[in-house]
Amino acid sequence: AQKVTQAQTEISVVEKEDVTLDCVYETRDTTYYLFWYKQPPSGELVFLIRRNSFDEQNEISGRYSWNFQKSTSSFNFTITASQVVDSAVYFCALRQGGSEKLVFGKGTKLTVNP
Amino acid sequence: GAVVSQHPSWVICKSGTSVKIECRSLDFQATTMFWYRQFPKQSLMLMATSNEGSKATYEQGVEKDKFLINHASLTLSTLTVTSAHPEDSSFYICSAPKTGKIYEQYFGPGTRLTVT
Repeated sequence: AQKVTQAQTEISVVEKEDVTLDCVYETRDTTYYLFWYKQPPSGELVFLIRRNSFDEQNEISGRYSWNFQKSTSSFNFTITASQVVDSAVYFCALRQGGSEKLVFGKGTKLTVNP
Repeated sequence: GAVVSQHPSWVICKSGTSVKIECRSLDFQATTMFWYRQFPKQSLMLMATSNEGSKATYEQGVEKDKFLINHASLTLSTLTVTSAHPEDSSFYICSAPKTGKIYEQYFGPGTRLTVT
């Protein structure tokens, strides 16, 4: 069975602080894909990143970075120098290789205060 | 880039009536689309997989007679909430995968349903 756990329900930081959102996943498949989505108050999901199980390279995109570690089944997301516009709910999701279904974590609500 | 649209973006209906929500892939064809429901401050829960030309596949616990799904064409899937009740009030989101060089799943902007 697949499962995605985002243990942090809510995080509140002050602008310019760095913040890491945790994601731990469970799957029996050797081929799978991990995602992060941002959901601002408007509700529309914004795709941030996809990582497949064979690529453990960490990725950096501007202020965003992702740390994928298969040994701990984690795919953590760090925002450097957070900004108020980063305030949103962030979801981690998992897709097994032979399926198109996405399994979402419960989400982490990030509030960045000025 | 690929876009998925939903209509309406929000709807208020009276208890007992039916509401239809449309999901369209705007610049690509989608033989499969997904319908999710999201209650306030909760995660997205997959309700069903919409298959073009065949019956939808429902997740466990989702009433197929209440949530009618029709995938009429390669760019359109509809979700009809029949005999709506206040507990059906939720945010409904569809998604459509686009296959090709890179697999990507695109989400619609969501439809907020309020049943009074």
